[in-house]
Amino acid sequence: GAGVSQSPSNKVTEKGKDVELRCDPISGHTALYWYRQSLGQGLEFLIYFQGNSAPDKSGLPSDRFSAERTGGSVSTLTIQRTQQEDSAVYLCASSAGGAGGSYNEQFFGPGTRLTVL
Amino acid sequence: AQTVTQSQPEMSVQEAETVTLSCTYDTSENNYYLFWYKQPPSRQMILVIRQEAYKQQNATENRFSVNFQKAAKSFSLKISDSQLGDTAMYFCAFMMLGGYMRFGAGTRLTVKP
Repeated sequence: GAGVSQSPSNKVTEKGKDVELRCDPISGHTALYWYRQSLGQGLEFLIYFQGNSAPDKSGLPSDRFSAERTGGSVSTLTIQRTQQEDSAVYLCASSAGGAGGSYNEQFFGPGTRLTVL
Repeated sequence: AQTVTQSQPEMSVQEAETVTLSCTYDTSENNYYLFWYKQPPSRQMILVIRQEAYKQQNATENRFSVNFQKAAKSFSLKISDSQLGDTAMYFCAFMMLGGYMRFGAGTRLTVKP
């Protein structure tokens, strides 16, 4: 595809359930980022993958959150035992680089709106 | 730690007029990037303008320009000839090269006809 895609676009779940959010980055982009946007707030960094390097997980709010990136392409963000405070829009972005070198623009997907009842 | 502050939760402007959105940041680094992003109701994040900290010249993109004051750690966005399509949330962001973005809380801009 031409841009970053995310699925599902909306997800409603019950408290305590696990959810998986998917991100398909732009083909060839080596860097992938997950951000969270709570209602009326700015974006909060969650996790960052760069090529084959160990991901930067410093933004994950708790051990209920994890993410994988398979084959250097698609990424899945998993939230276990969801809580109501996890309700937010989860945005994914990708860029052509990131680890040193020159600047590369981050392109954002449309986000997944997660609602925990 | 780097932080980004947008002190104006909401702003409004008449169509065709000029508006300035404020942003300040805190960092001890010397080389970094600053951004303004637009987020319309569609949720899509759209890059408006980028400024490299090592460049003294303020960035300009058509009707959008910035006033970058490195010593004051200030990075304001000026929108000239405001259009109805400029109505959106605007986020200021900071990034170290090779790192991730840190965003401000945003300013909701409404352009009135």
